[in-house]
Amino acid sequence: AQSVTQPDIHITVSEGASLELRCNYSYGATPYLFWYVQSPGQGLQLLLKYFSGDTLVQGIKGFEAEFKRSQSSFNLRKPSVHWSDAAEYFCAVALGGSNYQLIWGAGTKLIIKP
Amino acid sequence: KAGVTQTPRYLIKTRGQQVTLSCSPISGHRSVSWYQQTPGQGLQFLFEYFSETQRNKGNFPGRFSGRQFSNSRSEMNVSTLELGDSALYLCASSLGFGTGSETQYFGPGTRLLVL
Repeated sequence: AQSVTQPDIHITVSEGASLELRCNYSYGATPYLFWYVQSPGQGLQLLLKYFSGDTLVQGIKGFEAEFKRSQSSFNLRKPSVHWSDAAEYFCAVALGGSNYQLIWGAGTKLIIKP
Repeated sequence: KAGVTQTPRYLIKTRGQQVTLSCSPISGHRSVSWYQQTPGQGLQFLFEYFSETQRNKGNFPGRFSGRQFSNSRSEMNVSTLELGDSALYLCASSLGFGTGSETQYFGPGTRLLVL
C-alpha cells in the first residue's frame, strides 16, 4: 500500500540555522510530491511540488526540496530559518488515475529556538 | 483570485445531531476534496468530487456524505454525530485530474467540536 513517512515528529532548530525535513514514500510509480505547511489553527499552504523534470524544486518562503528516486525521498530544506517558520510541515503523495487523492505523512512540527 | 473558502469556521454540536459544512473552491476549479484532521489520526481523505460526481471515497462510515453543485461548490454532511467526529475538516480544490494540475489548494478549515 502507498504510504508517506516523516520520521521526525518534532525538530528544534536555532534561528538562522539550516533545516532539513525528511520525507520517504512508498509508491509503485513516479509520484507527484508535495510539501505543505500549517500554522496553528490554519489550513494548509502549498510550499512546493514535484511532478517531473528537475529533481531540485524551489518553493515559496525560501524552501526547496530534492526528489531522489533511488532513495524514495523528497526532503525539504531551507538554508536559514526564521522564527516565522515555526509550524507543522506535511509531505504528501498524490495518487493518480481513478483513485485520485493525497496520501499524507504524519507531519513534522518545527520549533525555532531564539 | 479568491482562495478556497469554508463556512462555518467553527461549530459546536452535540452527539446525535447532524452537521453540514460548505466549501467554495477557487474559481475555475472543478475538483473538490475533503479531509479530516485529528491529532490522533492525522490527515485522512474523505472524498473527492469532480463535476458533481464523487470520483473517490476514503475509508469513512456512511454517516459521512457529500455533494457538489453545478457551480463546483461542495457540501459535506455528517449525520448522527459522535464524539470522535470532533476534528478540523479541510476542503481543497484543484483543476482536477487530467488537466495536468493535481495541485490542491486548501481552505482554512471548519473546526467541529462534538459534545
